[in-house]
Amino acid sequence: EADIYQTPRYLVIGTGKKITLECSQTMGHDKMYWYQQDPGMELHLIHYSYGVNSTEKGDLSSESTVSRIRTEHFPLTLESARPSHTSQYLCASSESGTSGENTGELFFGEGSRLTVL
Amino acid sequence: KNQVEQSPQSLIILEGKNCTLQCNYTVSPFSNLRWYKQDTGRGPVSLTIMTFSENTKSNGRYTATLDADTKQSSLHITASQLSDSASYICVVSDRGSTLGRLYFGRGTQLTVWP
Repeated sequence: EADIYQTPRYLVIGTGKKITLECSQTMGHDKMYWYQQDPGMELHLIHYSYGVNSTEKGDLSSESTVSRIRTEHFPLTLESARPSHTSQYLCASSESGTSGENTGELFFGEGSRLTVL
Repeated sequence: KNQVEQSPQSLIILEGKNCTLQCNYTVSPFSNLRWYKQDTGRGPVSLTIMTFSENTKSNGRYTATLDADTKQSSLHITASQLSDSASYICVVSDRGSTLGRLYFGRGTQLTVWP
């Protein structure tokens, strides 16, 4: 079992609301990621971090923002949610390093399913 | 066009039967290929990793193969169980950075019926 946790698991909110999706891991991984997943589609990387105070935008443009103040914590925030933000958001982490079979393996949380009405 | 294509998109089999899922990729350069299993409502979990020099690797009832020349991989599930019902995602990593960029397939949705 991976030690990475996401809250809330499910969230239904109205348009214009501010939301924060929480993600925490206890594995000491430097690298953390946020992916967006829609039914029948591939995962899209929206944000990633290689360590404290390091955040980068991913391949998919997103209006969300992230922060990495502590190694174990990587929250995602939407200042003003819209129906187009309705999706499944998956947080993941991975070990650092360039060799070894575990390098590059992503450990995922169980996801946060967001519905914006 | 997605650089990782999986087939079939969905598959229904009876419990106890075998099945094979396919993954074709165009990612280059190539570092490794992973198969993940994603249960409904859960995050994906890694099943196996294939590197350039590996042809076959088994993990219990799961056997992955890789043909780096034709850029094809398969995941064979033997004696399927109801708990095998899930989405199986193929993920390919390139060598473009320290970690490598990841390319995700759309997954094959497997349903095992009793």
